[in-house]
Amino acid sequence: EIVMTQSPATLSVSPGERATLSCRASQSVSSNLAWYQQKPGQAPRLLIYGASTRATGIPARFSGSGSGTEFTLTISSLQSEDFAVYYCQQYNNWPPSTFGGGTKVEIK
Amino acid sequence: QVQLVQSGAEVKKPGASVKVSCKASGYTFTSYGISWVRQAPGQGLEWMGWISAYNGNTNYAQKLQGRVTMTTDTSTSTAYMELRSLRSDDTAVYYCARDFDSSGFFDYWGQGTLVTVSS
Repeated sequence: EIVMTQSPATLSVSPGERATLSCRASQSVSSNLAWYQQKPGQAPRLLIYGASTRATGIPARFSGSGSGTEFTLTISSLQSEDFAVYYCQQYNNWPPSTFGGGTKVEIK
Repeated sequence: QVQLVQSGAEVKKPGASVKVSCKASGYTFTSYGISWVRQAPGQGLEWMGWISAYNGNTNYAQKLQGRVTMTTDTSTSTAYMELRSLRSDDTAVYYCARDFDSSGFFDYWGQGTLVTVSS
């Protein structure tokens, strides 16, 4: 099973600042990597797929990069609605699939 | 618009079974797969398995093999997830999610169903 490791577990950022979240795979997943945002009491929302393609309706301040085993989600200027938990998911050789443990982005 | 509407919360005793439904609308049901993902209280997301709504093929997470069964009813555009021999650590919110273009990532999610396992 491919293990996905996200860091940091918690990221404290001030509104308007940049946030950089990391996701590492235990073996190469090529570009088969998605990012999701989850707010309390809500289902996850797809942000990024194919490591760098924004999903429909996702603002341009969200960007994804990386391939192989190292991936990054960048939020260029944090808005109040962006404080949430973010998960990466690999879907290489789908199915199966695995998620990372999540990064909580909180207000500094 | 695409919607996935799940059945309501359940409370079960250890050893029992639960069956959660996920009714799809707003798209051609048989053109996409459905995955089930669960989230224990305060924890992360765990992929449980996938079913093709086209032909019923399934793929389950290894740790759940033998306890989980996923099915679909194409006449009602509904997917089902049954989990047997419930334990306390199966307490979680269970989500269904549409598999975008059979690629393996999920573009629409149900609202979640809380399953509580308690004696």
